Amino acid sequence: RKEVEQDPGPFNVPEGATVAFNCTYSNSASQSFFWYRQDCRKEPKLLMSVYSSGNEDGRFTAQLNRASQYISLLIRDSKLSDSATYLCVVNTMDSSYKLIFGSGTRLLVRP
Amino acid sequence: DVKVTQSSRYLVKRTGEKVFLECVQDMDHENMFWYRQDPGLGLRLIYFSYDVKMKEKGDIPEGYSVSREKKERFSLILESASTNQTSMYLCASSRPGGGYEQYFGPGTRLTVT
Repeated sequence: RKEVEQDPGPFNVPEGATVAFNCTYSNSASQSFFWYRQDCRKEPKLLMSVYSSGNEDGRFTAQLNRASQYISLLIRDSKLSDSATYLCVVNTMDSSYKLIFGSGTRLLVRP
Repeated sequence: DVKVTQSSRYLVKRTGEKVFLECVQDMDHENMFWYRQDPGLGLRLIYFSYDVKMKEKGDIPEGYSVSREKKERFSLILESASTNQTSMYLCASSRPGGGYEQYFGPGTRLTVT
């Protein structure tokens, strides 16, 4: 079983739609969680950290469910510019410096 | 803003050549990382360093070595390049300690022929 699993997609949605991605992680002792965004042929960039209480940044909302070991990302009012791959990222406890990256969920927002 | 730079965006090398990939960060970060990214496999950690002259193997260190002589610079070395090392190589840095977000350089797309 992969340490971090994501649906690869693609999710193909119209502009203005609300879309949600989930990600599951296997290590119940993980403490740090992030969503990164990666545009085609570019480097991953931090989108937002995920806190236990959930957090919101404009149109983006991240939630953490420790009991079920999943993280979610909700994007409201999708823009064309949201088209990208979204990577779910979790730290490991065997070596806390390391982050484990999911393979990503691809989002396509169409006009 | 954190800035991580990599020496080349695109590189083409021949099988058996020794290849050096350089990474420099300007945020005084203790931690630095080298990943490769391949379609369907995501990012895989090759090596990381949490201090000058310190290094630890990641998940796929075979065929690679690293050097960290200065805090801001972390080099990845392919001792004898092979075609299966054709990939996108990404360098990242982060604050000291564990669990902090990592900041990435623009990547080097290496092709080994």
